This record gives sequence, C-alpha cells and structure tokens, in this order.
Amino acid sequence: DAKTTQPPSMDCAEGRAANLPCNHSTISGNEYVYWYRQIHSQGPQYIIHGLKNNETNEMASLIITEDRKSSTLILPHATLRDTAVYYCIVRPFNDYKLSFGAGTTVTVRA
Amino acid sequence: EAQVTQNPRYLITVTGKKLTVTCSQNMNHEYMSWYRQDPGLGLRQIYYSMNVEVTDKGDVPEGYKVSRKEKRNFPLILESPSPNQTSLYFCASSSPTGAAYEQYFGPGTRLTVT
Repeated sequence: DAKTTQPPSMDCAEGRAANLPCNHSTISGNEYVYWYRQIHSQGPQYIIHGLKNNETNEMASLIITEDRKSSTLILPHATLRDTAVYYCIVRPFNDYKLSFGAGTTVTVRA
Repeated sequence: EAQVTQNPRYLITVTGKKLTVTCSQNMNHEYMSWYRQDPGLGLRQIYYSMNVEVTDKGDVPEGYKVSRKEKRNFPLILESPSPNQTSLYFCASSSPTGAAYEQYFGPGTRLTVT
C-alpha cells in the first residue's frame, strides 16, 4: 500500500528554490516523514526527516502541515547536481525499514 | 571516511553459476540490508540483519541467501542465479545511535545474468 503520493516529475531552474510536495494523508502519530534522494543509479542518500515541526539542515528544509497530512521538501538554491529522484517516506522513528515508492524525478536546468 | 562498500560493482554471469556480492561497512552499524532496484518497481528489500547472526527476509527474498558472521560484513549469495535476478543491488546499514536511523547506502552492484 502506497503511504505517500508524489508528483512523478518536476523541473526547476538552477539557482531557484525547488519545492517538492508529498501527500501522506494516512500518516500515523508515531510516523516520521523522511526524504531521500538518488542521483542517477547511485545509492540513495538521506536528506532530512521530521515529525511535526519544520526542519532545516545544510541540504534542505522540510515543511510539514499542521495536520501532518502533507509536507514539502525545499531545496533553497537548486544546482545541476541536485538533479535526482527524490523519495518521500513515512515510517516509525525506530523502524529501520524503508519502503520506497516511485519518487519525484527532479531535473534542474541551467 | 564512513562508508558502505560493495564488490563487485559490475558483474555479468551465466544462469546457475553461484555468486556472492560482498557488502562491508566501517561505521559499526548493527543493522544492514539488501535492496534490489528494477525499472518500474523501485527499490525492494531482499533481506536484512538486525545484528550478528540475526537475519530475516524482506519483501523479495526468493533466490537469495545472506549471512552475518561479523558486524561489518553482510554478503548476498545467489546460489543459482537466473535471468530474473538481473538487477541493480544496494547494500545499506544503519544504527539507532545515528541521526534518525539514517541509512547509508553502498554504491550499487549491477548484475546481469544471461
């Protein structure tokens, strides 16, 4: 069962912010939102995670709606190297298993 | 440098010839896992291990074996490979002492079975 819904693809101009939406309307109270990305057949890379508060790290920001049914990953200044497939995953914090969906293919254009 | 390594990175083999893909991590992680990635099917978990001598099936374990005799190593064994096991394989590791149970992935092994 798909726990998250993401658009299949999106384009972004280099230097601009990329906003990646994710719907997770059936998220449970103990489930966190995680984002990973995969650059052209390389191993997936962790980006950020959050429960209900907005989070920011050196790679991105994560905005989670108050009802926690959706979230947005923000890449503040997209570069060509950010071209990748981005996966939004929900899971309990202490659960190791990652269930990957189809993700969003983000293409950053010069 | 903290990393997960896999070998070989590329392998072409024939049906029925046993092979092993090695995975090693240098982060003292308890948890290790194998995934396969196929076009249109995404990443699917094959096997995982919570610690030494503790392994369990993931979503697509058929045709694969694993072992966890040492904490750092988690080899994937294909006793009798078949063409439907042609895929891109990733090993990953994680620890509850790391940030957010973050998983670190290896660079991948592209396997072709003819």
